[in-house]
Amino acid sequence: NAGVMQNPRHLVRRRGQEARLRCSPMKGHSHVYWYRQLPEEGLKFMVYLQKENIIDESGMPKERFSAEFPKEGPSILRIQQVVRGDSAAYFCASSLTSTKNTGELFFGEGSRLTVL
Amino acid sequence: GENVEQHPSTLSVQEGDSAVIKCTYSDSASNYFPWYKQELGKRPQLIIDIRSNVGEKKDQRIAVTLNKTAKHFSLHITETQPEDSAVYFCAAGQMNRDDKIIFGKGTRLHILP
Repeated sequence: NAGVMQNPRHLVRRRGQEARLRCSPMKGHSHVYWYRQLPEEGLKFMVYLQKENIIDESGMPKERFSAEFPKEGPSILRIQQVVRGDSAAYFCASSLTSTKNTGELFFGEGSRLTVL
Repeated sequence: GENVEQHPSTLSVQEGDSAVIKCTYSDSASNYFPWYKQELGKRPQLIIDIRSNVGEKKDQRIAVTLNKTAKHFSLHITETQPEDSAVYFCAAGQMNRDDKIIFGKGTRLHILP
């Protein structure tokens, strides 16, 4: 059973370009969470999704950021018109459905975005 | 919404000594408190968790305590070893509810030889 898969692991973009980060949850998991980690800071919640639904996006900046988790395929975090302040590690985590939720989040290896 | 505070931000202990990391939370509805360990350049991984119906839980050299009245919980590592060096995150959330898990800012633990 493969773990949470994120790609790309490293992404370099110039200011103004778009960044797309992908996350495939663990098999059987239908809940996906995105967190941002800045250097020397903690894991800051961004968005919580279930298949085809955004459950909580209270941590997402109102502009330029969007996330989706389609019925088929990976979850995608999209950052438009990137700025230097978007440089960070973006971690995806998945968990089982809430009715059987053990609570544990399984994290991917993270995608490290560098904006030049 | 939930807010989790974690202290200290950095902690250095001599190998073999104990380490204690403390966290507070704000939402009295939170009932699930996991701790994650993140080694340098790696993914965070769950090391232990506690639910609000217990006050203490142990797993070998690791223990967590929870004080619901005061809304704080702590991680205790005894007989520390070099491989315990990492960043530790506390978190809080609500079990069996569509809710996010909120993390503290982390504690960088250095085990000194």
